[in-house]
Amino acid sequence: AQTVTQSQPEMSVQEAETVTLSCTYDTSESDYYLFWYKQPPSRQMILVIRQEAYKQQNATENRFSVNFQKAAKSFSLKISDSQLGDAAMYFCAYRIFPNNAGNMLTFGGGTRLMVKP
Amino acid sequence: GAVVSQHPSWVICKSGTSVKIECRSLDFQATTMFWYRQFPKQSLMLMATSNEGSKATYEQGVEKDKFLINHASLTLSTLTVTSAHPEDSSFYICSALSGRDREQFFGPGTRLTVL
Repeated sequence: AQTVTQSQPEMSVQEAETVTLSCTYDTSESDYYLFWYKQPPSRQMILVIRQEAYKQQNATENRFSVNFQKAAKSFSLKISDSQLGDAAMYFCAYRIFPNNAGNMLTFGGGTRLMVKP
Repeated sequence: GAVVSQHPSWVICKSGTSVKIECRSLDFQATTMFWYRQFPKQSLMLMATSNEGSKATYEQGVEKDKFLINHASLTLSTLTVTSAHPEDSSFYICSALSGRDREQFFGPGTRLTVL
C-alpha cells in the first residue's frame, strides 16, 4: 500500500520569505502522480501543483515549485515570496497512473503553514 | 475550470435522524466520485468510491449501511448518514473525477453536527 508522510505538522514563515514543506512517500509503482493541495480556512481543497513521476523536470506554478527526487521518494514544495494568503493547511498527495482501478488519492497528514506579517 | 458543489454546506441534526448530502459536478460529467471525511486538524480520509450506475466501493472500516451512497446520474452523488450519532459529526468532502484528464475536483465540503 502507498503511504504519504508529511513530517512537519506546522511551519511558520515571514511574509515575503521562502519556505519549504516536506513530503515523502512509499510506493512500488513506477508511474504515478504527486500533488500538493492547499486547504485554506474555508476548507475548500485547491490544487497547487502537480508532478508526473515520469518527468524529470520539477513542476513550477508561479511562486510554487517542487523538488521531486524520485529515487529518494521525496516531493517537497517551495513557496517563494510568501504572502498572507498562503496561510493554510497543505496536503501532499499521491495517485498511481490513472487506470480504471486506480484513481484514488492518498493524502499525507498535512502541514499547517502560518505566515507572519 | 471544473466546479463541484455540495449541499448543504452546514447541517445540524438530532441524534437518530438521517441526513443526505448532495455532491454535483456542475460543468462536467463524472462517472466516479469520491467521499471523504475530515476530522478537525486531520487529513482527508477516503470513505468510499462512488461509481455511476453501480454500487459504491467502501474503504475498510466504513460501514456501508451507515453511510449510504447513491450515484444515480453522471452529475450527482449523494451520501446519506443514517441514524446519525454525535460521533458522526465531521466535515464531509466529495470530489468528482474528470473523465478527460482523470483529475479530481473537490467540493467545498459539508459540516455535519449531530446533537
